[in-house]
Amino acid sequence: DGGITQSPKYLFRKEGQNVTLSCEQNLNHDAMYWYRQDPGQGLRLIYYSQIVNDFQKGDIAEGYSVSREKKESFPLTVTSAQKNPTAFYLCASSDWYSGNTIYFGEGSWLTVV
Amino acid sequence: DAKTTQPPSMDCAEGRAANLPCNHSTISGNEYVYWYRQIHSQGPQYIIHGLKNNETNEMASLIITEDRKSSTLILPHATLRDTAVYYCIVRVGSSNTGKLIFGQGTTLQVKP
Repeated sequence: DGGITQSPKYLFRKEGQNVTLSCEQNLNHDAMYWYRQDPGQGLRLIYYSQIVNDFQKGDIAEGYSVSREKKESFPLTVTSAQKNPTAFYLCASSDWYSGNTIYFGEGSWLTVV
Repeated sequence: DAKTTQPPSMDCAEGRAANLPCNHSTISGNEYVYWYRQIHSQGPQYIIHGLKNNETNEMASLIITEDRKSSTLILPHATLRDTAVYYCIVRVGSSNTGKLIFGQGTTLQVKP
């Protein structure tokens, strides 16, 4: 089945450590996205990539970094510079041929301890 | 992207139709109406989208008023598993910049 796989589902990080969240899609979608969701809040866009080897900052990119070396992969690194990293992180993808409808993964919970 | 307004919560009896309204009075001509739902601790699930015409798929129907200023998502036979937060979003259909403005949504509680 095609879909978006995020891992790990739950992650604990010590303050000062970088962590990387994995996102893989087998939908052959060109565009991929990372969002952050805080409890009871809507989604905020961190980074997006419209094509391999290219990405742009979203609304809250500070303290995060991404790479897009392969079409199917868009990992997110939460750096120690991110002051309040505890949140629910969502990866998504879309494709022009599907009307650019955005499809989401199941999310990753990051907790700083 | 235009702003949307939804009621904060609604109840529906199991087996009955759930009608979830959304107001988007500032929608532009090239903006589509999208509906997603989110069950706690899961990623948002795409339901349906439309531009002007009413749309139907295996999950739901979308009714858009002629002036496009409001729409209604219809779940024809609600089940307990349809309990979730439902989000109505408007965005430019050709955009792949990922900009999605999720409001507070409507919490739908389906009751036995």
